[in-house]
Amino acid sequence: DTEVTQTPKHLVMGMTNKKSLKCEQHMGHRAMYWYKQKAKKPPELMFVYSYEKLSINESVPSRFSPECPNSSLLNLHLHALQPEDSALYLCASSQDQGPYNEQFFGPGTRLTVL
Amino acid sequence: SQQGEEDPQALSIQEGENATMNCSYKTSINNLQWYRQNSGRGLVHLILIRSNEREKHSGRLRVTLDTSKKSSSLLITASRAADTASYFCATDAGYLQGGSEKLVFGKGTKLTVNP
Repeated sequence: DTEVTQTPKHLVMGMTNKKSLKCEQHMGHRAMYWYKQKAKKPPELMFVYSYEKLSINESVPSRFSPECPNSSLLNLHLHALQPEDSALYLCASSQDQGPYNEQFFGPGTRLTVL
Repeated sequence: SQQGEEDPQALSIQEGENATMNCSYKTSINNLQWYRQNSGRGLVHLILIRSNEREKHSGRLRVTLDTSKKSSSLLITASRAADTASYFCATDAGYLQGGSEKLVFGKGTKLTVNP
């Protein structure tokens, strides 16, 4: 299985809602990533879990909260989002963390915040 | 912050022609990767070239790296309509809080191959 799956495909939420995005891989990869991609822009790295240890892009606001229940699963908890958070959220995984590892991406969750 | 800048931003060619995309970056790197993204979908890894390599091939793809000029190029030969996508270069660019390395993507080139 060489696939990264993400659910849901689409999500519409209000600014007071709490929701979660989910990501799963069964390739035995030990690094997993969350990216945010606005329209016509490149993906921007938000968080990395490497061997279930978290690294954070300091520019990401605290209304985004990642969780890694085990090495195959990755969640992104969303709370009190703003309309400017509307974007495509991409999950990726790699064998290991580091510059020589290719990343495998899921299809993304398209998030709209009203 | 963006490390890579692709050029051109958009490229439109006919099927069968070659497509060349360029990427320039600012700081020294360990490697450079190229990814493809079909409209609104996830990214697909194409090729990785290490800083001590000058050229790499994979099928119809040819990547070059010139570390003295801090630039890379991606050549797609004999293009097909299915090659229509956005192409991004990505380089390692420092560390996140927590110690993991940061992969930074360039702005991308939108390639359209007309049948």
